[in-house]
Amino acid sequence: KQEVTQIPAALSVPEGENLVLNCSFTDSAIYNLQWFRQDPGKGLTSLLLIQSSQREQTSGRLNASLDKSSGRSTLYIAASQPGDSATYLCAVKDTGGFKTIFGAGTRLFVKA
Amino acid sequence: DTAVSQTPKYLVTQMGNDKSIKCEQNLGHDTMYWYKQDSKKFLKIMFSYNNKELIINETVPNRFSPKSPDKAHLNLHINSLELGDSAVYFCASSEGLAGYEQYFGPGTRLTVT
Repeated sequence: KQEVTQIPAALSVPEGENLVLNCSFTDSAIYNLQWFRQDPGKGLTSLLLIQSSQREQTSGRLNASLDKSSGRSTLYIAASQPGDSATYLCAVKDTGGFKTIFGAGTRLFVKA
Repeated sequence: DTAVSQTPKYLVTQMGNDKSIKCEQNLGHDTMYWYKQDSKKFLKIMFSYNNKELIINETVPNRFSPKSPDKAHLNLHINSLELGDSAVYFCASSEGLAGYEQYFGPGTRLTVT
């Protein structure tokens, strides 16, 4: 059974710092891994999608990597800003039944 | 211009009532989903439809019945509401079942009293 874990559960950093969020999954049989951002009381915003055959994806200050064999993904945020404060979720699309399994998220707070 | 929309945004109702949540996507996607986010903010898949066909039914009580009248709509009907049904319900869509980005709606906060 696929399980997704995100570490740390919460993170507080000063503005301008580079940071890394971690996501691990137990079964490497995935179609893709997707990183989302969720602001309080809002829906999910897709940040990056990495296909199982890819190693990384970049969008602006965000870079996500995928090591399928070790069951790990990282989301790197460069030069963090207060507007980056949100909960970051990773989700894997399992090949067994097309299910999407979410991690519990990392709550990020960037201090001005 | 909203890609995935849900109505209502908030729903407050009493135990035992029946209610529906509607979802529409204007992205031309073939696949739609319902997720439940509980009080601990954990997101879990409930249902997935592809071309109006049920693909995933993830051990959800049969009081929950999804209905897809066409590819652009996936509604969720809940019978005999219970306190434990209180949560935020998200609709999402993607181009297809495998390997595609998912786009989420704004959520419906259901409160059962």
